[in-house]
Amino acid sequence: DAKTTQPTSMDCAEGRAANLPCNHSTISGNEYVYWYRQIHSQGPQYIIHGLKNNETNEMASLIITEDRKSSTLILPHATLRDTAVYYCIVRVGRDDKIIFGKGTRLHILP
Amino acid sequence: KAGVTQTPRYLIKTRGQQVTLSCSPISGHRSVSWYQQTPGQGLQFLFEYFSETQRNKGNFPGRFSGRQFSNSRSEMNVSTLELGDSALYLCASSLRASGTYNEQFFGPGTRLTVL
Repeated sequence: DAKTTQPTSMDCAEGRAANLPCNHSTISGNEYVYWYRQIHSQGPQYIIHGLKNNETNEMASLIITEDRKSSTLILPHATLRDTAVYYCIVRVGRDDKIIFGKGTRLHILP
Repeated sequence: KAGVTQTPRYLIKTRGQQVTLSCSPISGHRSVSWYQQTPGQGLQFLFEYFSETQRNKGNFPGRFSGRQFSNSRSEMNVSTLELGDSALYLCASSLRASGTYNEQFFGPGTRLTVL
């Protein structure tokens, strides 16, 4: 079973920051938080991952709370191409299997 | 570098038949994972192969099986097809090298329809 809880859907205006929350209250000390997204009719795409510290890459930022029970994925300047289902996943290290939940369907509004 | 390729992209079968799906990972990647995606259940992990050995397995019946060849290409087989097996089957490959972050790269999927 998925170990994360996400809102079913969210809207965001184009050009604004999209903040996608994720609860993982049962996360263990050695479990990482990963984010993937799936654009319609395509396979999932890796976005970012983190353990304790906040992370940033060319796609997004990941903010993890100090108690690690929740995190937020931030898309700084959302575009229409960011419309997708976003999955928050926890997994142990690099070798654990990925268990996808239902994800958040993000709608970018023009 | 070429991405993950899956063949065929679309497939129509009837109940009781069997089907074999193929996945070619990114060159140099040694791990291949398979997932089933349906509207009702979402993305579900089937199994993972690394160096021709099954390393992880999801909660699917024995009708679902797979294998990996020495060139890392993988196949999955579903026997005695049921209507509920209609789904998008996704393959993902990763490097799985020691000390390397093993990001998974997904293929476009094979859409299987069982009539």
